[in-house]
Amino acid sequence: DAEITQSPRHKITETGRQVTLACHQTWNHNNMFWYRQDLGHGLRLIHYSYGVQDTNKGEVSDGYSVSRSNTEDLPLTLESAASSQTSVYFCASGFSTDTQYFGPGTRLTVL
Amino acid sequence: SQQGEEDPQALSIQEGENATMNCSYKTSINNLQWYRQNSGRGLVHLILIRSNEREKHSGRLRVTLDTSKKSSSLLITASRAADTASYFCVRGGTALIFGKGTTLSVSS
Repeated sequence: DAEITQSPRHKITETGRQVTLACHQTWNHNNMFWYRQDLGHGLRLIHYSYGVQDTNKGEVSDGYSVSRSNTEDLPLTLESAASSQTSVYFCASGFSTDTQYFGPGTRLTVL
Repeated sequence: SQQGEEDPQALSIQEGENATMNCSYKTSINNLQWYRQNSGRGLVHLILIRSNEREKHSGRLRVTLDTSKKSSSLLITASRAADTASYFCVRGGTALIFGKGTTLSVSS
């Protein structure tokens, strides 16, 4: 069955380290998205991509980057992790923005 | 902020009762969607209503949209304990814009 997966599911890292969160989908969706979820803020869009080689900044993109080298994957990189980036990260994909399919989430703790 | 704002923030009801959650938004929309998130898990798309629609049903869910008031409501009828979750009003467009959600607790 088609699915969207995220890895790792839990990650603890130290301030200043580079961290990459993986997102892989097998639906062949063109659109992929990264969100972070924090108490009191709901989900906020970090970056998104409408296809291979396309990336766009979302509402809270500072300190994050993405690259899209194929349809299936959109890795999210924290260039120099900060404690403010402790959060739960969700990846999503879809053929359009009308309906998105979400991964299970990655809980990241930056110490 | 362009987020939708859900009301109430939290709602506690008994099984069998109806649950109503409201959402307001600030800018024009192409569509408005509702998602559910069970504790600690990913989000699941429930229903989408387009800007030219006023009401939509899906099983026990009923969504209304009033574009003149920039508001929407989600009604869950005959609620079950399994409906316990957070519900998000989401504005569709270039990318989804999420509200902060309503936490629904259904006790048996």
